[in-house]
Amino acid sequence: DTGVSQNPRHKITKRGQNVTFRCDPISEHNRLYWYRQTLGQGPEFLTYFQNEAQLEKSRLLSDRFSAERPKGSFSTLEIQRTEQGDSAMYLCASSLVGGQFFGPGTRLTVL
Amino acid sequence: AQTVTQSQPEMSVQEAETVTLSCTYDTSESDYYLFWYKQPPSRQMILVIRQEAYKQQNATENRFSVNFQKAAKSFSLKISDSQLGDAAMYFCAYFDYGGSQGNLIFGKGTKLSVKP
Repeated sequence: DTGVSQNPRHKITKRGQNVTFRCDPISEHNRLYWYRQTLGQGPEFLTYFQNEAQLEKSRLLSDRFSAERPKGSFSTLEIQRTEQGDSAMYLCASSLVGGQFFGPGTRLTVL
Repeated sequence: AQTVTQSQPEMSVQEAETVTLSCTYDTSESDYYLFWYKQPPSRQMILVIRQEAYKQQNATENRFSVNFQKAAKSFSLKISDSQLGDAAMYFCAYFDYGGSQGNLIFGKGTKLSVKP
């Protein structure tokens, strides 16, 4: 399977804990995006990488959130000191030009 | 800032019939892309169809076609010969390389039900 993959698919954590998600994009795609989706809403942009450079961060990305893409391949999204409001589906997408291809997402539940 | 509006929270269609989902957007850019994504329940987002703004011809992908009206900033999706597997949330999305720096801007989605 050469699509976008994300791990883990589900994560349940207690408030205050740190969590880290991983995204492996389609191998030839140089752009990688993170989105957050809550129930009944469309995805909201969090951050975007072109190769290893993080080019844009949304105001939704508070200082508790950090993303990396070392070597321009896979990416990680870390949330520190999780809050119940962080519960959502975290989606990763990759692209070359134009259309973005999405992974299956990581569903985070903060208790 | 660019915005995308889907005014139909829910739609329903009979199997084998045709349905049209509406989308309007706002932008000051002249060069951009528009997309329709499908998200089945508990499954990942799938790219259904894309339209480049500079192309006057409406995009078509098998049973899916769009009606792109650039002046009206309208981008509707027509699904012909609807199938049970078409039931899903459909999101309209906008993309440009200008102020948005390349991220997709989504509408709130339309939930499509297909009746057998």
